[in-house]
Amino acid sequence: LAKTTQPISMDSYEGQEVNITCSHNNIATNDYITWYQQFPSQGPRFIIQGYKTKVTNEVASLFIPADRKSSTLSLPRVSLSDTAVYYCLVGEVNRDDKIIFGKGTRLHILP
Amino acid sequence: NAGVTQTPKFQVLKTGQSMTLQCAQDMNHNSMYWYRQDPGMGLRLIYYSASEGTTDKGEVPNGYNVSRLNKREFSLRLESAAPSQTSVYFCASTLPGDRKYTFGSGTRLTVV
Repeated sequence: LAKTTQPISMDSYEGQEVNITCSHNNIATNDYITWYQQFPSQGPRFIIQGYKTKVTNEVASLFIPADRKSSTLSLPRVSLSDTAVYYCLVGEVNRDDKIIFGKGTRLHILP
Repeated sequence: NAGVTQTPKFQVLKTGQSMTLQCAQDMNHNSMYWYRQDPGMGLRLIYYSASEGTTDKGEVPNGYNVSRLNKREFSLRLESAAPSQTSVYFCASTLPGDRKYTFGSGTRLTVV
C-alpha cells in the first residue's frame, strides 16, 4: 500500500478556494487516489476518486500530475461547514483488502 | 435508508466486561471493515472481511474478535474490555472493485 503524507492542519477563510496536497511517492501503476471527508462525531464519507489528470464533481476537484506522485484536492469557495478532516488514500480499486487511513488534514474554515 | 447501521451508539463498560458491537449494511456490499478512532487521531483498521466467511487482521487486532455472520452483518467483540479500548468504533462496507467506503455513524465506547 502506498504511503501518503498530508499536512496535519490548515486554516482558511470563507469564500476562499482551498487546496490540500497529498504526497504518495511510491504509488503503484494500479493505484487510484481517493479522498474522504470526516465531520466531528461522524464517519468519513467519500468525496472524490481519480487515477490521473483531473476529476471534478459537485463537491470538489482532484488534480493529479503526470507522475502521479502527488495529488491535490481542491474545494471551491469554502464555507464554515467545510470544516472537517480530509483523508487521502491510495490503493488498488479492484482489491478488497485492508485500506489504511492516515491522520488526515484538519481543515478549519474561519469566518 | 440504505447504508451502514451500527448499534449501540453509546456504551460504557467496566474493565473486564465483554460486549459485541453490531454492524449491518443493506447495500449488498461484499467487504466490511471495523476501525477505531481515538481523539484527534485518524482511523486505525482493526479487522476486515473481504467476503462472507472470511476475516483478516488489520493494524490493531489485539483484544478484539470478529464474526462475519452473513453478507449483511459483521460484528466486533471485546472479550475483556480494557480502558485502552475506549474509542469511537466505525464500521464500513464497500462493493468489490470500488474503494468507495460507506461508513456507519459510529459507536462511542468508554471503558472505566
